[in-house]
Amino acid sequence: AQSVSQHNHHVILSEAASLELGCNYSYGGTVNLFWYVQYPGQHLQLLLKYFSGDPLVKGIKGFEAEFIKSKFSFNLRKPSVQWSDTAEYFCAVNYYNQGGKLIFGQGTELSVKP
Amino acid sequence: KAGVTQTPRYLIKTRGQQVTLSCSPISGHRSVSWYQQTPGQGLQFLFEYFSETQRNKGNFPGRFSGRQFSNSRSEMNVSTLELGDSALYLCATSTDSSNEQFFGPGTRLTVL
Repeated sequence: AQSVSQHNHHVILSEAASLELGCNYSYGGTVNLFWYVQYPGQHLQLLLKYFSGDPLVKGIKGFEAEFIKSKFSFNLRKPSVQWSDTAEYFCAVNYYNQGGKLIFGQGTELSVKP
Repeated sequence: KAGVTQTPRYLIKTRGQQVTLSCSPISGHRSVSWYQQTPGQGLQFLFEYFSETQRNKGNFPGRFSGRQFSNSRSEMNVSTLELGDSALYLCATSTDSSNEQFFGPGTRLTVL
């Protein structure tokens, strides 16, 4: 079955620390990949996306992600987190021929201590 | 440009009742997908509509249904509500299926 796995359920960091959130998806052919963020009390917002081309993609607010096809991974990174990055982060995959269906990971709650 | 709107934002129902939720997409968006978000199961895909046709369906019982109108607005209906249907129901819209999806604020359904 198609699935997405996020490695960490809850991550706690101090401001200025570096962040890497893992995401792996099950093999299923051509994929589009996304990272969404949900700030407290707000709706899901797109951080970045990968459709094709350069496997290193840059998103909003200094986030970036690298698609490694051989590892079925799409890890999210940020060199220096801020308190305002406290939120829940979701990795999502759209498989080719599945229309608009997104399969989400379980989410990673990030808490940044000031 | 107005975002995705969902109504109502909050809803309280009792077991056995039915409920209808509404989603108005961003202008020009023809694809509307619905998701259920719960603490235990996370975000799960319900179904997708495009040009008034259901394109894809998740693994939910037949009590969950939806439709899309000619102006791309979509509704989802849940009949014979169960306690486990308590969740945040999210609508996401896009210009076409595989493009970036924009999420609405959700409808928080509580079943008592």
